[in-house]
Amino acid sequence: GNSVTQMEGPVTLSEEAFLTINCTYTATGYPSLFWYVQYPGEGLQLLLKATKADDKGSNKGFEATYRKETTSFHLEKGSVQVSDSAVYFCALAGGSYIPTFGRGTSLIVHP
Amino acid sequence: EAEVAQSPRYKITEKSQAVAFWCDPISGHATLYWYRQILGQGPELLVQFQDESVVDDSQLPKDRFSAERLKGVDSTLKIQPAELGDSAMYLCASSLVDGPTEAFFGQGTRLTVV
Repeated sequence: GNSVTQMEGPVTLSEEAFLTINCTYTATGYPSLFWYVQYPGEGLQLLLKATKADDKGSNKGFEATYRKETTSFHLEKGSVQVSDSAVYFCALAGGSYIPTFGRGTSLIVHP
Repeated sequence: EAEVAQSPRYKITEKSQAVAFWCDPISGHATLYWYRQILGQGPELLVQFQDESVVDDSQLPKDRFSAERLKGVDSTLKIQPAELGDSAMYLCASSLVDGPTEAFFGQGTRLTVV
């Protein structure tokens, strides 16, 4: 079946550091890929998405590129802020794909 | 701002009892999802509706779980009887259409079975 694998957390960074959260997927064909963010006490919110190979999704300084050759969708941000502290989920969906999420990666940013 | 409403936010129940969760999606959203999220894990899809029809319930434990969306608007997820292993966050989400469009999530119902 389809699956999404994320790097384990927590990821702990200082403010203004560079962020990478790795995500790889297993699926037949070409699903759409998503990053969701969950702030403490809140529901999941869509952060960005990409619907086909080589697409780059971006939002709020975060970006991720759909890499078909490596089946990856790594999340990056050039300079993190304390307010970025949250849990980040990578997911695949679209068409006939059952929406499938990774386990989540907790990000902690220190001042 | 429109949002997905869920109730209750928290529920404590004894094992073998029945429990029900309610979800009201964003108005006009045809697709509704119920997910279960165990602490430290990602959401797992339980059931997906398109209007009032079930699109996918392959991961719904049908011996004890049931879900309905009778008029294609709000939805109820029921567990009977509840087991200790059902303790989790139950999330509802909705989207305009099926496919690669944004799903909007509610804040969830935290279930504790004692």
